[in-house]
Amino acid sequence: AQKVTQAQTEISVVEKEDVTLDCVYETRDTTYYLFWYKQPPSGELVFLIRRNSFDEQNEISGRYSWNFQKSTSSFNFTITASQVVDSAVYFCALSEVGTGANNLFFGTGTRLTVIP
Amino acid sequence: DAGVIQSPRHEVTEMGQEVTLRCKPISGHDYLFWYRQTMMRGLELLIYFNNNVPIDDSGMPEDRFSAKMPNASFSTLKIQPSEPRDSAVYFCASTGQYTDTQYFGPGTRLTVL
Repeated sequence: AQKVTQAQTEISVVEKEDVTLDCVYETRDTTYYLFWYKQPPSGELVFLIRRNSFDEQNEISGRYSWNFQKSTSSFNFTITASQVVDSAVYFCALSEVGTGANNLFFGTGTRLTVIP
Repeated sequence: DAGVIQSPRHEVTEMGQEVTLRCKPISGHDYLFWYRQTMMRGLELLIYFNNNVPIDDSGMPEDRFSAKMPNASFSTLKIQPSEPRDSAVYFCASTGQYTDTQYFGPGTRLTVL
């Protein structure tokens, strides 16, 4: 069965600090996608990144970076030099390609608060 | 391109009333999903469609909930009769066969009094 665990329920950091959000997943499929979504206080769900299970290269996009490690079934998200606008709930999600349906299984989210 | 469009953004109704939520997916996407978000249960999939056909409705809580997709550009989620425990944010999302990423609408915040 598939499962996504975000053990950190809430994190608070002071502006300009770096912060890492953890995500651990479980799946029996060999082909899958991992995602991060951001939910700011306004409530919408914003897509941030997608990685497929065959691509373990880390990715950097501006102040955001993602570390995918199949050996530990983790897909962690780091924000460098955090800003107040980064305050949001961040969701990690898994999609098993084998189902053919692109169903997303979400973690419970991590609420990040960046204090000015 | 416009993203996923949902209406209304907010809905307040009284217990027992019928509620209809609407969604317009991104043009060209052939999968449409309805999710519900609550504090207690997080984000949960209610139903999804492929090419306007319901594929999996196992997440629909009970018979009071129904969803339709009469054409590729429109879907509805109906609750009849509504109950206070249906209060939640309902999201619609769409994706395409070659996209592999679900894009979400802004959500409808439903409050049932």
